[in-house]
Amino acid sequence: GESVGLHLPTLSVQEGDNSIINCAYSNSASDYFIWYKQESGKGPQFIIDIRSNMDKRQGQRVTVLLNKTVKHLSLQIAATQPGDSAVYFCAENPLYNFNKFYFGSGTKLNVKP
Amino acid sequence: DSGVTQTPKHLITATGQRVTLRCSPRSGDLSVYWYQQSLDQGLQFLIQYYNGEERAKGNILERFSAQQFPDLHSELNLSSLELGDSALYFCASSPVAGGYEQYFGPGTRLTVT
Repeated sequence: GESVGLHLPTLSVQEGDNSIINCAYSNSASDYFIWYKQESGKGPQFIIDIRSNMDKRQGQRVTVLLNKTVKHLSLQIAATQPGDSAVYFCAENPLYNFNKFYFGSGTKLNVKP
Repeated sequence: DSGVTQTPKHLITATGQRVTLRCSPRSGDLSVYWYQQSLDQGLQFLIQYYNGEERAKGNILERFSAQQFPDLHSELNLSSLELGDSALYFCASSPVAGGYEQYFGPGTRLTVT
């Protein structure tokens, strides 16, 4: 199967600091990547996506960086807020099997006030 | 609110029983995905349907089956339930078959006793 993993299972940051959540993927043929946020007791919520023809994409307070050379994906959250506390998943959608999404195991982000 | 609905929200049943989980996708979405999330785990892809047809299978047990109906709602059937089947089951929908963000429902929490 595919391997989409996260470097750190738990990340604690101070409110107002920037957060960086990392994700490694194994399939160089993957074409599309998504970051999801899952709050306790809720379904995953889309944050931002990026396609393989891009290196960087910015949203509101979030930036996703894609390094295809080392097959690495990161999510940067600027000025982290208590409401950002959640589990963050990266997901990979391979080009050869675009019907499937492979999710990483998740990183829990704790924002300390 | 993602627009995806799932029923029931909670389900408690005994080993050996059979249950049916229901999902209604967002209006206009043709693709439905089913995922299983065990405690503190990532999302495991089970199966995907597009416009009534099965398109992709993941790690779905033979005891599990699903279908998508002409009105595009989907049902996931779990039979001969085991304790290890206790998990959150999420449905997600998307306008297309892949390469696009998925919108997740709130999930059904299944407890097998």
